[in-house]
Amino acid sequence: AQKITQTQPGMFVQEKEAVTLDCTYDTSDQSYGLFWYKQPSSGEMIFLIYQGSYDEQNATEGRYSLNFQKARKSANLVISASQLGDSAMYFCAMREGPSGGGADGLTFGKGTHLIIQP
Amino acid sequence: KAGVTQTPRYLIKTRGQQVTLSCSPISGHRSVSWYQQTPGQGLQFLFEYFSETQRNKGNFPGRFSGRQFSNSRSEMNVSTLELGDSALYLCASSGQGLTNEKLFFGSGTQLSVL
Repeated sequence: AQKITQTQPGMFVQEKEAVTLDCTYDTSDQSYGLFWYKQPSSGEMIFLIYQGSYDEQNATEGRYSLNFQKARKSANLVISASQLGDSAMYFCAMREGPSGGGADGLTFGKGTHLIIQP
Repeated sequence: KAGVTQTPRYLIKTRGQQVTLSCSPISGHRSVSWYQQTPGQGLQFLFEYFSETQRNKGNFPGRFSGRQFSNSRSEMNVSTLELGDSALYLCASSGQGLTNEKLFFGSGTQLSVL
């Protein structure tokens, strides 16, 4: 079974609209971290936001927020007021391991290709 | 603060050759991990190094190896290259490699095997 599922292969959104990218995950660990990365066509992987499994509040980083629903094992990324420069691939990823301990490698989803239209 | 630096940016090799890729982590970071990205398999974890020791390993053949130096810089090596090794190789660093740490990536090395 896939550990990270991103159900939206591609999305078209109008500039200035809010965007929600879906991500569900599967783990039996109590301690894990969830990440979102942006990968433009240049290939670099840009860190956007992180949510720890023990964090009670949803993470926010500027225009990015993470809608963390632990019981549903869901970690959706919300981008407010989208911009043309937001067009890219977006990857959800998970890292499992003991809290404060050495973690496993990241497991990535297949990604969502987001295109912002003017 | 400088980010994660990977060299070279592009590399072209032929089947059977070997290749070495380099990664310099963010200053102060001691954990370095490597990932392979292909259109078919997506992003896959190769291995992680911490304090010059391999701490975790993904499901890749022994042709893929790595090492880490005392200054935390890391290299990965692929021997006897195959066409399927063509990929973007990404390096990431974090402070201690802990579950609750942010992980930052470099721009990657695009390897083409002919």
